[in-house]
Amino acid sequence: DIVLTQSPALAVSLGQRATISCKTNQNVDYYGNSYMHWYQQKPGQQPKLLIYLASNLASGIPARFSGRGSGTDFTLTIDPVEADDTATYYCQQSRNLRTFGGGTKLELK
Amino acid sequence: EVQLVESGGGLVKPGASLKLSCVASGFTFSDYWMSWVRQTPGKTMEWIGDIKYDGSYTNYAPSLKNRFTISRDNAKSTLYLQMSNVRSEDTATYYCTRVYTTDYYPYWYFDFWGPGTMVTVSS
Repeated sequence: DIVLTQSPALAVSLGQRATISCKTNQNVDYYGNSYMHWYQQKPGQQPKLLIYLASNLASGIPARFSGRGSGTDFTLTIDPVEADDTATYYCQQSRNLRTFGGGTKLELK
Repeated sequence: EVQLVESGGGLVKPGASLKLSCVASGFTFSDYWMSWVRQTPGKTMEWIGDIKYDGSYTNYAPSLKNRFTISRDNAKSTLYLQMSNVRSEDTATYYCTRVYTTDYYPYWYFDFWGPGTMVTVSS
């Protein structure tokens, strides 16, 4: 299994940058694509796709969200953070079957 | 507008069986791979499995493949999850998800999710 590791929580101030990391125990790159994706889940709601294939913004997602990384190290950046961004963020790999990280809860300072 | 609506969850006793359904609308259901994902009360997300757009092929998480079966009825735009011999650790919210698919090729990320249906396994 490919294991994804995320920090449990992150606190940032409004208007600042939030950087959420996701590390894998195996390379998730394949033929020029990094099979890493990011989701946002607000309390009581289903997850919503933010970023696919490491750095592509999903439809309707503000440009404040961005993703980068390759191999085993990936980051989701929110800049600037708005109040509505308080949520839990999950990474998911699809290089070998599909597994999720444990989620990072973003809170405001 | 893409919509996925799950149903069939509830309280079930250990060892019992349960079948979840997901009705899809707003897109051509038969063009897409579909998946089930579950989330435990502790918020752990777990992929259960996928089914090909025509229903001819399925993938499962190895730990679940002996007890869970995914099927679909394209005429009814409905996805199913048959759960058997359920255990307390199957207690979770079950999400129906659409796999991003282009030209019938799946990219294995989930571009739409239903609101979920809760399954509680308890005696």
